Amino acid sequence: AQTVTQSQPEMSVQEAETVTLSCTYDTSESNYYLFWYKQPPSRQMILVIRQEAYKQQNATENRFSVNFQKAAKSFSLKISDSQLGDTAMYFCAFMKHGNDKIIFGKGTRLHILP
Amino acid sequence: GAVVSQHPSRVICKSGTSVKIECRSLDFQATTMFWYRQFPKKSLMLMATSNEGSKATYEQGVEKDKFLINHASLTLSTLTVTSAHPEDSSFYICSAERENGWGTDTQYFGPGTRLTVL
Repeated sequence: AQTVTQSQPEMSVQEAETVTLSCTYDTSESNYYLFWYKQPPSRQMILVIRQEAYKQQNATENRFSVNFQKAAKSFSLKISDSQLGDTAMYFCAFMKHGNDKIIFGKGTRLHILP
Repeated sequence: GAVVSQHPSRVICKSGTSVKIECRSLDFQATTMFWYRQFPKKSLMLMATSNEGSKATYEQGVEKDKFLINHASLTLSTLTVTSAHPEDSSFYICSAERENGWGTDTQYFGPGTRLTVL
């Protein structure tokens, strides 16, 4: 069975700083997808970034980038120039190719301080 | 594009009554939708996979007779909590899967429904 582990329950950084959220996963699959979802206080789940396991290049979306280390089964999220609006719960998630089920980590609560 | 709505956003009901929650994909068709439950400050727990025109697939430990799912069209799935009890109080989130056409699909989430059972 696949598992997703987020070892940082809560983090705080000053506005404009860079922050990295950790995520590790366990799977025997070779083809899968990894995601970072953001859940702000509104509770709306928002897809931040996705990574296909077969791609070596790290995904990037504006200020958000990932460090995907397939061999180490690590998938960290880097938020550059953090903004107050980045304050949210961040979930790392895994989905096996050909299977629609998303497995979520327990989340990291991120506070951006003014 | 890729907007998913849920209705109602918030509902309070008495113990023993049934509550229906709707999940709609507004600008795309979704043959597959998912229902999650989220406890306070916890992660999302998948309850069931809703397939258009067929029976839902429930996760282990989820009572299918208590959480009735109907996916009658390509844009609508409903979750009915039957004979609700206070322990059913939670935040329920749906997602709808949009096929991207090149073998990868993306799930888009609704804004959630907060159910409080008195």
